[in-house]
Amino acid sequence: ETVMTQSPATLSVSPGERATLSCRASQSVSRNLAWYQQKPGQAPRLLIYGASSRATGFPARFSGSGSGTEFTLTISSLQSEDFAVYYCQQYNNWLISFGQGTRLEIK
Amino acid sequence: QVQLVESGGGVVQPGTSLRLSCAGSGFTFSSYTVHWVRQAPGKGLEWVALMSSDGSNKYYADSVRGRFTISRDNSKNTVYLQMNSLRAEDTAVYHCARDFDDSGYENYLGYWGQGTLVTVSS
Repeated sequence: ETVMTQSPATLSVSPGERATLSCRASQSVSRNLAWYQQKPGQAPRLLIYGASSRATGFPARFSGSGSGTEFTLTISSLQSEDFAVYYCQQYNNWLISFGQGTRLEIK
Repeated sequence: QVQLVESGGGVVQPGTSLRLSCAGSGFTFSSYTVHWVRQAPGKGLEWVALMSSDGSNKYYADSVRGRFTISRDNSKNTVYLQMNSLRAEDTAVYHCARDFDDSGYENYLGYWGQGTLVTVSS
């Protein structure tokens, strides 16, 4: 089983500032890494796949990077609608797994 | 448009069974791997199970293997999750979700249902 660890658990950032979220895999997942955004009362929404490809509907301020075991989600200039919980997910094998999430809150 | 609608949730006692359904529409259901993902109240996402498009591959999380069974009926555009020997820790919103593409091996989840709540309590 591949364990995904996200840090920090909570990140407090002011609007307009940059946010950097981390995700680490317990073994290499190559670039088979996705990120999801979840807002209260809503289902998760695919944000990034293939470690760095942005899903439809998300602006260019969202970017993903990394490979192997270390991944980063960067939001370059936070807007009010970006405050949410973000999850990473590996799909390197059939037994997919999620990180525990990072809550991005307004400072 | 792509839609996934779950049903079958409810309040059940520990040790009992429940079957969830997920009905898909707006796409060729038989071409896609479908997953169940759950979220306990106030907690994160936990992948539960997947079934490939033709039903030939199915996989489970350790926490549910041997108790839960995933199945699908492509003629009805529906995936099921049979949950037996339910425990309090199975209490969660259960979402079904579809792979983004129909390759079968790029298992990132492009479409999600809103979920159905399962509460296991005596």
